[in-house]
Amino acid sequence: GAVVSQHPSWVICKSGTSVKIECRSLDFQATTMFWYRQFPKQSLMLMATSNEGSKATYEQGVEKDKFLINHASLTLSTLTVTSAHPEDSSFYICSAMRAGGQETQYFGPGTRLLVL
Amino acid sequence: GIQVEQSPPDLILQEGANSTLRCNFSDSVNNLQWFHQNPWGQLINLFYIPSGTKQNGRLSATTVATERYSLLYISSSQTTDSGVYFCAVGLAGTASKLTFGTGTRLQVTL
Repeated sequence: GAVVSQHPSWVICKSGTSVKIECRSLDFQATTMFWYRQFPKQSLMLMATSNEGSKATYEQGVEKDKFLINHASLTLSTLTVTSAHPEDSSFYICSAMRAGGQETQYFGPGTRLLVL
Repeated sequence: GIQVEQSPPDLILQEGANSTLRCNFSDSVNNLQWFHQNPWGQLINLFYIPSGTKQNGRLSATTVATERYSLLYISSSQTTDSGVYFCAVGLAGTASKLTFGTGTRLQVTL
C-alpha cells in the first residue's frame, strides 16, 4: 500500500503558458500533501504544504500566486505553475501523509517540467 | 533553519562491499527518515527512524538523537543500490515538514 501517482510524468511547454500537475494517493486518504522542487544534482526543497479543504502554506521565498495549489479531496492535490518561464524548469515531486498514520511521507514519481 | 549535512557526498563501491552513510543535523528532531532516490527520480522510503536502530534486509539504520546524527549501513552492496540517498528531518511541532539533507550519491560497480 501507500502508492502516490503524479501526472504528467514530463511536460514541455512554451514560456508564458500555465501547467497543471496532479498528485494522487491511490490506496489511502491523505489529509496532508507536500510539494517539492529539485534542481539537477541538488536536494529536494519544500515548496508548500497542502491541507485538504484549506489554503496551502507556502515556504519562504515561494510565490503563492505563481505556484497555485489546490487540495480539493483526500486523494488529490494539484500544483499549477502559472505563466511558466525557463527558470521554472525543474523536477517537481509531491508526497502524501496517510491520515492518522505516523509521520511517514510517501512520494510520487515526480514530474519533469521543461519550459522553452 | 535546521542544517542537515550528509557524508560522504559521493561514494563508489564495488559490488559486495559494505558502506556507512552519515547524516548530521543541527537541532533536535522528532522525525527522521532515510530515502533512496533511484536514477529515474523516484524516492523510496527506507526507514522512519527518529531514534534507535532498525534493520531491513541488507540495510540498517541507527539514529542517536541526543548526538544529532543518524547512520545508514548498506551491506553486500548491489548495482541496484546505486542512486542518491537522502536523510530528511522534521522538527518538534512541525514534524511532518521535512528538511532534506545534502545527499550521498552512490555508484555500485561490477
